[in-house]
Amino acid sequence: DGGITQSPKYLFRKEGQNVTLSCEQNLNHDAMYWYRQDPGQGLRLIYYSQIVNDFQKGDIAEGYSVSREKKESFPLTVTSAQKNPTAFYLCASSPRTAGTDTQYFGPGTRLTVL
Amino acid sequence: EDQVTQSPEALRLQEGESSSLNCSYTVSGLRGLFWYRQDPGKGPEFLFTLYSAGEEKEKERLKATLTKKESFLHITAPKPEDSATYLCALFSGGYNKLIFGAGTRLAVHP
Repeated sequence: DGGITQSPKYLFRKEGQNVTLSCEQNLNHDAMYWYRQDPGQGLRLIYYSQIVNDFQKGDIAEGYSVSREKKESFPLTVTSAQKNPTAFYLCASSPRTAGTDTQYFGPGTRLTVL
Repeated sequence: EDQVTQSPEALRLQEGESSSLNCSYTVSGLRGLFWYRQDPGKGPEFLFTLYSAGEEKEKERLKATLTKKESFLHITAPKPEDSATYLCALFSGGYNKLIFGAGTRLAVHP
């Protein structure tokens, strides 16, 4: 089945730790995205990538980093510089970044800081 | 600044009681308006894309409509399995990204 997978489903982080969230897609999409979802707020864009080895900051990139070494993979690292990382993280992909292209979402990773 | 506002924040319906969810927006150059359904603890599931005022799309008990300032998601004779949060998002040509509303939490009771 084609789709987007995220792992792990749940992740716990201690203060000062960096953690990496995995996102893989087999839809052959060029564009991939990371969003953060907090209760009562709309999804906020962290980073996006339109092609391999290229990515751009979104609205809330501080304290996060990404890489895009393969078309199908777009991992997100939450660094110790992110002061309030507890949230639900969603990865998405689309054929391109054009407005007419639908973004499809993975199942999400819930990150909790202990 | 491009903005999306959804109302109401929460809506409780009896099974079979039809209603509408609202998504109002301001944007410099609408390129697409998207509706998603999100179940608790899961990723959003794509429902519809609308591109121009007057456009309508339907899927089972759901119908989405679009004007120049707002979109409606009409739910006809809802069932308990329609309970979810419904998200509206628009693609801003000026910012080249999706802008999401905060969502409407719908609860349908038997």
